[in-house]
Amino acid sequence: KQEVTQIPAALSVPEGENLVLNCSFTDSAIYNLQWFRQDPGKGLTSLLLIQSSQREQTSGRLNASLDKSSGRSTLYIAASQPGDSATYLCAVQGGATNKLIFGTGTLLAVQP
Amino acid sequence: GAVVSQHPSWVICKSGTSVKIECRSLDFQATTMFWYRQFPKQSLMLMATSNEGSKATYEQGVEKDKFLINHASLTLSTLTVTSAHPEDSSFYICSAPGTGALEQYFGPGTRLTVT
Repeated sequence: KQEVTQIPAALSVPEGENLVLNCSFTDSAIYNLQWFRQDPGKGLTSLLLIQSSQREQTSGRLNASLDKSSGRSTLYIAASQPGDSATYLCAVQGGATNKLIFGTGTLLAVQP
Repeated sequence: GAVVSQHPSWVICKSGTSVKIECRSLDFQATTMFWYRQFPKQSLMLMATSNEGSKATYEQGVEKDKFLINHASLTLSTLTVTSAHPEDSSFYICSAPGTGALEQYFGPGTRLTVT
């Protein structure tokens, strides 16, 4: 059974810092991995999707990497801003079912 | 991009009543939709996979008779919480895969509070 864990569970940083969020998964037979952002009481916003054949994806200040063999992904946020404050979720999709298994989430607070 | 809507965005109901939540794909067709539940400060847990024209597939531990799913068209799936109890209070989110089946598009969620 696939299990997805995120570390740290919560993170507070001053504005301007670069930071790394970690995601690990137990079954490396994944189809792709996605990073999402969730604001309080809201739905999900897709940030980046990495296919299993890819090593990383970049969008603006965000960079996500994937090491499938070790079951790990990282989300790097450069020059953090207060508007980045949210919960960040990673999710893996395996096989042909399109089901997403979500991680435990990291609650990020960027202090102005 | 593809848009998924949910209705209502929030609902308060009394214990013992039933509540229906709608999930619609607005500009694409979805033969499959997924229903998730999220308790406060927890991650999303997949409840069931809704299949257009056939029965839904429920995850282990989810009561199919309590959470009724109907996927009657290619753009609409409904989740009915029957005989709701306070412990059913949660944030319910649906999603649908895009045409390329790589990405999933999420609805804005429905906050259910059972009093």
